[in-house]
Amino acid sequence: DTEVTQTPKHLVMGMTNKKSLKCEQHMGHRAMYWYKQKAKKPPELMFVYSYEKLSINESVPSRFSPECPNSSLLNLHLHALQPEDSALYLCASSQDPPGKYEQYFGPGTRLTVT
Amino acid sequence: AQTVTQSQPEMSVQEAETVTLSCTYDTSESDYYLFWYKQPPSRQMILVIRQEAYKQQNATENRFSVNFQKAAKSFSLKISDSQLGDAAMYFCAFSYDKVIFGPGTSLSVIP
Repeated sequence: DTEVTQTPKHLVMGMTNKKSLKCEQHMGHRAMYWYKQKAKKPPELMFVYSYEKLSINESVPSRFSPECPNSSLLNLHLHALQPEDSALYLCASSQDPPGKYEQYFGPGTRLTVT
Repeated sequence: AQTVTQSQPEMSVQEAETVTLSCTYDTSESDYYLFWYKQPPSRQMILVIRQEAYKQQNATENRFSVNFQKAAKSFSLKISDSQLGDAAMYFCAFSYDKVIFGPGTSLSVIP
């Protein structure tokens, strides 16, 4: 199984809502990543987890809160987002250490903040 | 800080022809990894090819090959016998402790 799944595919939320994005992989990877991607732009790294511990936080605003409950799951909790946070949110996983190996990407969650 | 530059925002190639996408990067590190990723429209990002900086031999994967020039900090991707399915955004990526993506090159394939 070489698949990374993400739910939901699409999400529309108001600025006062709380929602969560979910990501799952069953490849035995111990590094997992969250990226934000705007249209026609490259992915921007947000967070990196290594062995379920947060290893990189790219100065992301606190309205984004990551969580890695186990080695297969990665969540991104969203609260009080701004319209400029509308984007495609990509999850990826790889062997550890992060950065050395190919990353497998999920299809993304298309987030719209109204 | 590391940076990745792709000087060709858009390119096109005739089906069955060869095209080369350019990538340069800047780093003071000596041991790192380079990648080309492909993102087709509305589809998942997938790896095209990976190069380890300590290896002098250029990586190849079927119709895809790279020209890795470490001293020049250059990492170009050559696609041979282009196919319609090669149409996508191509991102060059540099990795030391984390991956940094270039701005991308949008490749169109003309039938």
